Amino acid sequence: GAGVSQSPSNKVTEKGKDVELRCDPISGHTALYWYRQSLGQGLEFLIYFQGNSAPDKSGLPSDRFSAERTGGSVSTLTIQRTQQEDSAVYLCASSPHLGSGPRDEQFFGPGTRLTVL
Amino acid sequence: AQKVTQAQTEISVVEKEDVTLDCVYETRDTTYYLFWYKQPPSGELVFLIRRNSFDEQNEISGRYSWNFQKSTSSFNFTITASQVVDSAVYFCALRGLWDMRFGAGTRLTVKP
Repeated sequence: GAGVSQSPSNKVTEKGKDVELRCDPISGHTALYWYRQSLGQGLEFLIYFQGNSAPDKSGLPSDRFSAERTGGSVSTLTIQRTQQEDSAVYLCASSPHLGSGPRDEQFFGPGTRLTVL
Repeated sequence: AQKVTQAQTEISVVEKEDVTLDCVYETRDTTYYLFWYKQPPSGELVFLIRRNSFDEQNEISGRYSWNFQKSTSSFNFTITASQVVDSAVYFCALRGLWDMRFGAGTRLTVKP
């Protein structure tokens, strides 16, 4: 596709259930980022991938959160034993390279709106 | 540590008014990039501009203009002759090597 896609667009789950959020980055983009946006709040950085590797997982809110990326492409963010405070929009972004050069713009997907009842 | 502050939580203007959105940042990096993104009601983030730390030249793009001042660590965004379609949440962001920090956002409402 032309842009970053995320699925599902909306997810409603019950407290305690596990959820998986998927991100398909732009083809060829080596860097992939996950953010969380709680209602009325700014963006919170969660984790980034360079290729399939996530060197720093300290941004993940708790050990219930995990993320992986396979084949240097698709990434999944998994939340185990969801809590109500996990309700937020989860945004994924990708960029051609990891870094801060002029071609390292991050392109954002539409997000997944997660509601934990 | 990097930090981005957007002190204005909400701004409401009447169409055709000019409006400036403030952004103040903190970083210890000598090389960094500053961004503005627009998030319309649809939710998707739309890139508006990127400036690097070595280029303080102000930029104008149509009704949008940006004022980058390293001396005050500010990167303000002005919309001239605002329109209803400008209503959105605007985020200022700062990036070092890879870590990207966003401000809390400013919700702009432009009334007809």
